[in-house]
Amino acid sequence: DQQVKQNSPSLSVQEGRISILNCDYTNSMFDYFLWYKKYPAEGPTFLISISSIKDKNEDGRFTVFLNKSAKHLSLHIVPSQPGDSAVYFCAARPGAQKLVFGQGTRLTINP
Amino acid sequence: DTGVSQDPRHKITKRGQNVTFRCDPISEHNRLYWYRQTLGQGPEFLTYFQNEAQLEKSRLLSDRFSAERPKGSFSTLEIQRTEQGDSAMYLCASSLENSRRAHEQFFGPGTRLTVL
Repeated sequence: DQQVKQNSPSLSVQEGRISILNCDYTNSMFDYFLWYKKYPAEGPTFLISISSIKDKNEDGRFTVFLNKSAKHLSLHIVPSQPGDSAVYFCAARPGAQKLVFGQGTRLTINP
Repeated sequence: DTGVSQDPRHKITKRGQNVTFRCDPISEHNRLYWYRQTLGQGPEFLTYFQNEAQLEKSRLLSDRFSAERPKGSFSTLEIQRTEQGDSAMYLCASSLENSRRAHEQFFGPGTRLTVL
């Protein structure tokens, strides 16, 4: 059962524009949601998180929005830069210690 | 803070051989996690330790897999009688309990296993 889904395998955005990455989940017991960025041959790097009691968290160019009624979260990157090109994973914590990950979205920033 | 380190970074082995991977977490982190990632998928949870105690194991962790964290610092993951289906990236992560950021897990670079 895929509890966390990223339905877009890839996304292409022009440099300087906004990148929006989406994630859907099915388990209402998740207490934290996280976004990770992954370059080839490296482990995932933590980007930003949000508690299930919040609806927005912002850190520099990165903002995460949580819509609990729709069981949907999104990551906004503004403005997009070439170094943002990577695979982005959405993850959720089901109240226990493990993280449940989506399949990832490959973001390409075009000059 | 030197981050999470894993050794080796790459391992090629023949089917039926045993392999062992090592993970060194961030020094003050008392929680340590193992995940497995295959091509086109996100990381999948395998097991986690709080200090030296192994507190949860996924059903993905068959009896050929064993993990230890004997002194609550580094951890090892051993796979016995490897199969081609074990080929994957094995990721280790760590976190600090009872901190404001306890939910954040910090990952190492991974060990890529190829079983021929």
